[in-house]
Amino acid sequence: AQSVTQLDSQVPVFEEAPVELRCNYSSSVSVYLFWYVQYPNQGLQLLLKYLSGSTLVKGINGFEAEFNKSQTSFHLRKPSVHISDTAEYFCAVILLTGNQFYFGTGTSLTVIP
Amino acid sequence: GAGVSQSPSNKVTEKGKDVELRCDPISGHTALYWYRQSLGQGLEFLIYFQGNSAPDKSGLPSDRFSAERTGGSVSTLTIQRTQQEDSAVYLCASSPDRYSSYEQYFGPGTRLTVT
Repeated sequence: AQSVTQLDSQVPVFEEAPVELRCNYSSSVSVYLFWYVQYPNQGLQLLLKYLSGSTLVKGINGFEAEFNKSQTSFHLRKPSVHISDTAEYFCAVILLTGNQFYFGTGTSLTVIP
Repeated sequence: GAGVSQSPSNKVTEKGKDVELRCDPISGHTALYWYRQSLGQGLEFLIYFQGNSAPDKSGLPSDRFSAERTGGSVSTLTIQRTQQEDSAVYLCASSPDRYSSYEQYFGPGTRLTVT
């Protein structure tokens, strides 16, 4: 069975500090990986995605993520966060052979001034 | 340009009543997804439409849930005989093509409250 785990439900971090949001998945087949962001009172939007190629993926707003196949992880990082990064972040996977996207339970990032 | 729209934005209904939730995808998008987001939970896949193909209904939690997509555009999610556990935010997303970019564009959601 496929699953996505976001171990940290809430992550508080001071402004201009680095942050890492963790995502692990389990799957017996190859997957594509995504991070979505949901700002307060807004819909989800794509932050970045890994389909193939370089395992280091850069997204919008200075975020990046690294696909680690051996550790089945796709952690999201930003070297210096801003107040405007306060949002809910969701990790998601889709099987190469399937239609379903599997989402994690989300990590609430709060940037403290 | 116009994004994915959903209506109503909020719906309060009594237990046992039927409800219909509507999704208008981005024009030209062939793929459409429905998800349910319960408090403290991730997004739960419900159903997937791709063009004129038969929908993937594997995520529907019970036979009280059904969905249709007319003319390859607008979609309606119907919940019959609503229960309190159906209370959640129902999200719709569309995608240009499931096999090209996998990027989903989400609507603002419909918050359903069953009393």
